[in-house]
Amino acid sequence: LAKTTQPISMDSYEGQEVNITCSHNNIATNDYITWYQQFPSQGPRFIIQGYKTKVTNEVASLFIPADRKSSTLSLPRVSLSDTAVYYCLVGSNQAGTALIFGKGTTLSVSS
Amino acid sequence: GAVVSQHPSWVICKSGTSVKIECRSLDFQATTMFWYRQFPKQSLMLMATSNEGSKATYEQGVEKDKFLINHASLTLSTLTVTSAHPEDSSFYICSARAPGTRAAGYTFGSGTRLTVV
Repeated sequence: LAKTTQPISMDSYEGQEVNITCSHNNIATNDYITWYQQFPSQGPRFIIQGYKTKVTNEVASLFIPADRKSSTLSLPRVSLSDTAVYYCLVGSNQAGTALIFGKGTTLSVSS
Repeated sequence: GAVVSQHPSWVICKSGTSVKIECRSLDFQATTMFWYRQFPKQSLMLMATSNEGSKATYEQGVEKDKFLINHASLTLSTLTVTSAHPEDSSFYICSARAPGTRAAGYTFGSGTRLTVV
């Protein structure tokens, strides 16, 4: 699986847009990019997934450049409740294979 | 959406005793389930892959005789921590993927906080 690199931590204030970038230089052709969110003492929760260009859903946007060697998770107008750890995962996710988590980015949102 | 239920959410046990954690897929069948362990301020670490009707596959460094995994049905996998010790205290999380989905289909249980005293 492609290794990912993310910032260890980020700080923000309520109402700001937060962009978390993930590097995955060795991404393979069949790999997708997926982001998960984890609150303390809870299991991870799926946020968004993409293969190329831009993907947007009700909670976030995912920007993927043409070379796919990086991706950026964008959280618009964060609130205190967005304080969590965000994980970037890359893989083809074949049936029967587990998700392998990197260290993630701890986002702290203050008022 | 797919739901994975994990029970109990927390448990305290004495050193030397065994603890069983259940992971159920509520609205789909899961031939494969995954067990993770997470220590404070660390990422999730894959422990083993649980396969329905066959032996689990353990990651390197995980003792299969200590962490017994049983996947007896398509909706239930159990992790038993045998002869628990304080160093086994951790947050255990299970996961499964609904059939026909990509990474978006991986669903995680709410986790079990194990404290061994």
